[in-house]
Amino acid sequence: QSVLTQPPSASGTPGQRVTISCSGSSSNIGSNYVSWYQQFPGMAPKLLIYRNSQRPSGVPDRFSGSKSGTSASLAISGLRYEDESDYYCSTWDDSLSGHVVFGGGTKLTVL
Amino acid sequence: QVQLQESGPGLVKPSQTLSLTCTVSGGSINSGGYYWNWIRQHPGKGLEWIGYIYYSGSAYYNPSLKSRVTISVDTSKNQFSLKLTSVTAADTAVYYCARDIEGQSHLDPWGQGTLVTVSS
Repeated sequence: QSVLTQPPSASGTPGQRVTISCSGSSSNIGSNYVSWYQQFPGMAPKLLIYRNSQRPSGVPDRFSGSKSGTSASLAISGLRYEDESDYYCSTWDDSLSGHVVFGGGTKLTVL
Repeated sequence: QVQLQESGPGLVKPSQTLSLTCTVSGGSINSGGYYWNWIRQHPGKGLEWIGYIYYSGSAYYNPSLKSRVTISVDTSKNQFSLKLTSVTAADTAVYYCARDIEGQSHLDPWGQGTLVTVSS
């Protein structure tokens, strides 16, 4: 059972806009930055979004992040087949002396 | 640019200690302001944070693993290490090391990961 709650799956067709949600609490998302990671099978995760909505250099602007209260979202616009991957949200949790927490992951399928 | 590489035994016997090392290249582990993390991923499952060590040596651990985990840093070798004691089959996972710029899950870059299997 992950501290952050994500839908296990999401899907869309090429060109569509898809959003993936991440729900937490006041001790984690509610008071800290949220990051998003993309992971392809057999590969290490890659940072996609940090500080709720910032993109590292090289990440297309089709990817965007937002946060409101104790929830965060990752949006992918102009969906492409190569976006089919697993996506994880993550943040710091202030409880129990502090620790990093991850969502359970969302598998995005491009139909 | 900074690159990280995990190394260590791929097979550990139950009840023994899992030991992994992450070698940092392209930058100094002592350059300041960074948090050096270990994360693991059980087969077919999600990501689990194990802990991190700040460049100064202070460490934070996942509360669920804290009693069994030690993360240390060797600045002379530009490496940081993970020790996980009393392992069981439940510790079988791919183990990743990663750098955090802010200590709030701003993890970039990551190592490629190394699979550790716990089995007799």
